[in-house]
Amino acid sequence: DVKVTQSSRYLVKRTGEKVFLECVQDMDHENMFWYRQDPGLGLRLIYFSYDVKMKEKGDIPEGYSVSREKKERFSLILESASTNQTSMYLCASSWGTGGYEQYFGPGTRLTVT
Amino acid sequence: DQQVKQNSPSLSVQEGRISILNCDYTNSMFDYFLWYKKYPAEGPTFLISISSIKDKNEDGRFTVFLNKSAKHLSLHIVPSQPGDSAVYFCAARAGAGSYQLTFGKGTKLSVIP
Repeated sequence: DVKVTQSSRYLVKRTGEKVFLECVQDMDHENMFWYRQDPGLGLRLIYFSYDVKMKEKGDIPEGYSVSREKKERFSLILESASTNQTSMYLCASSWGTGGYEQYFGPGTRLTVT
Repeated sequence: DQQVKQNSPSLSVQEGRISILNCDYTNSMFDYFLWYKKYPAEGPTFLISISSIKDKNEDGRFTVFLNKSAKHLSLHIVPSQPGDSAVYFCAARAGAGSYQLTFGKGTKLSVIP
């Protein structure tokens, strides 16, 4: 079974703090993704990575950065958290260039106060 | 510009009856379609998929139909069970070389016992 784990299920941070969200997958997948899910807006892609040290912007990259130093680990960084970044953050992984099924982690519910 | 549209935010169905979830798309380059199911506070899980060269794919109680000329796909669940109550996301891939999936906004299905 593919396993995608995220470092925290729930996180509360203050405005202006730097926030790190970590994701680890155990299936040697090449591709990893960060999404945010908001009511009525569905899943929106923030960043993705198709290889170590490679990253591509998704649909809503503003206010975020990412890091992929190892194949199994993909980090999402909020440089200076703001209240409009309160959301559910979902990490996913998939293999190859086929872009077939993505396997999701359980999500991190981030609240910025 | 929303390339994958799920026009019904919610759907209520009686237990034992058929649930039909609909999805429309605009991008002719989409060649592979997936349905995901998401429970609250969990990540989405892959449910069923269909290639654009097919018009139907069946897996147990779940069947996905694709009408390429209408750019429409639907997910049928028969019979519906209370455990099927979740948010369902339609997703599409824009060609074999694409890493990304484009998601719809989701439809919340409630199966009433």
